[in-house]
Amino acid sequence: EVQLVESGGGLVQPGGSLRLSCAASGFTFSTYWMHWVRQAPGKGLVWVSRINSDGGSTNYADSVKGRFTISRDNAKNTLYLQMNSLRVEDTAVYYCVRGGVDVWGKGTTVTVSS
Amino acid sequence: DVVMTQSPLSLTVTLGQPASISCRSSQSLVFSDGNTYLHWFQQRPGQSPRRLIYKVSNRDSGVPDRFSGSGSGTDFTLKISRVEAEDVGVYYCMQGTHWPFTFGPGTKVNI
Repeated sequence: EVQLVESGGGLVQPGGSLRLSCAASGFTFSTYWMHWVRQAPGKGLVWVSRINSDGGSTNYADSVKGRFTISRDNAKNTLYLQMNSLRVEDTAVYYCVRGGVDVWGKGTTVTVSS
Repeated sequence: DVVMTQSPLSLTVTLGQPASISCRSSQSLVFSDGNTYLHWFQQRPGQSPRRLIYKVSNRDSGVPDRFSGSGSGTDFTLKISRVEAEDVGVYYCMQGTHWPFTFGPGTKVNI
């Protein structure tokens, strides 16, 4: 079964850091672009970042550029999102999404609050 | 960024009746490879988004055939031929042609 399982969310103070992980299974992870998409409470979906299959190319939304870093470990079938200098407005459910946007994880919740 | 708009933003339908959601983009979604990367998603309450339609009109595996997509360029439509109770949720269009990919604001479908 194709599956994406996110982890690493939690409560953090403004200015803090978190590292999200996404464990992939059931498909050849190393051949797919991967994405992070977030959804603030009661709001719509917003693209955060994407990474190509070998990790050599990345893109970010302007709102997170310079603060977030996407990466992957193809040997471990895992996608990461390092989030630094977190702001209250980063509070959201973060979804890991396969390149064709056809497979989504259940999401992990990040709450930034003092 | 490409701005995606949807109408209506809220839709109350009667079981068994049709429903239609419009999606418009601020620029053409035709990619250099000739494909149009306009997709539709359903998000049921408390769940992750689920892709229903990809590249305008292709239904994903397991999606009931009462769902259909159409359109071209900047103007797209999702139709539900006969709404069922399980169709309650929020529907999003999304463009994957121009980075950053962007979603519409969502259309909430109620019964």
